[in-house]
Amino acid sequence: DAKTTQPPSMDCAEGRAANLPCNHSTISGNEYVYWYRQIHSQGPQYIIHGLKNNETNEMASLIITEDRKSSTLILPHATLRDTAVYYCIVSSDSWGKLQFGAGTQVVVTP
Amino acid sequence: DAGVTQSPTHLIKTRGQQVTLRCSPKSGHDTVSWYQQALGQGPQFIFQYYEEEERQRGNFPDRFSGHQFPNYSSELNVNALLLGDSALYLCASSLASRVYSNQPQHFGDGTRLSIL
Repeated sequence: DAKTTQPPSMDCAEGRAANLPCNHSTISGNEYVYWYRQIHSQGPQYIIHGLKNNETNEMASLIITEDRKSSTLILPHATLRDTAVYYCIVSSDSWGKLQFGAGTQVVVTP
Repeated sequence: DAGVTQSPTHLIKTRGQQVTLRCSPKSGHDTVSWYQQALGQGPQFIFQYYEEEERQRGNFPDRFSGHQFPNYSSELNVNALLLGDSALYLCASSLASRVYSNQPQHFGDGTRLSIL
């Protein structure tokens, strides 16, 4: 599975949009991009995933570039409860091994 | 609809002891994966069980073993505990099905294991 690169940390003001980048330049054609987040002392929580097209659900939007070498997770209106470590993962086997990196620590401030 | 449940939530052991951690998957899921998360790091894949067999395994020694029961629940066993085994152990469940391919895994909140 391809590896990903994320910034180690980001700050975001409450109520503003948070844009979290992820680079996955070696992604293969059959690999999906998954985003999870982990709030302190909890297990990872699934946010969203996509293959080629942009995706949106009640939590976030996922924008994948046309060449699929990078993506951006958008939290449209960040709240204090969105403070967490966000992990970007690429995998062709969603029910198999997930390869986590260090993720991005997002801190939402009032 | 119960999510993934793990027990116990916290555990303290001493070096050389053995430990068993338990996981019940989300209702409707048939596959269980185990991860180890050291402080300040992302989760690392230990192994996965499907149809009561180990399907995949990460880079962990044989001291780490597991089991899956007919009701899909699972246990993680660690023998000869080392100080370095102190970590949060996470269980994730999923459904192994071509129809539901690429559906996400669901995680429990983990067992915090401390080795003294």
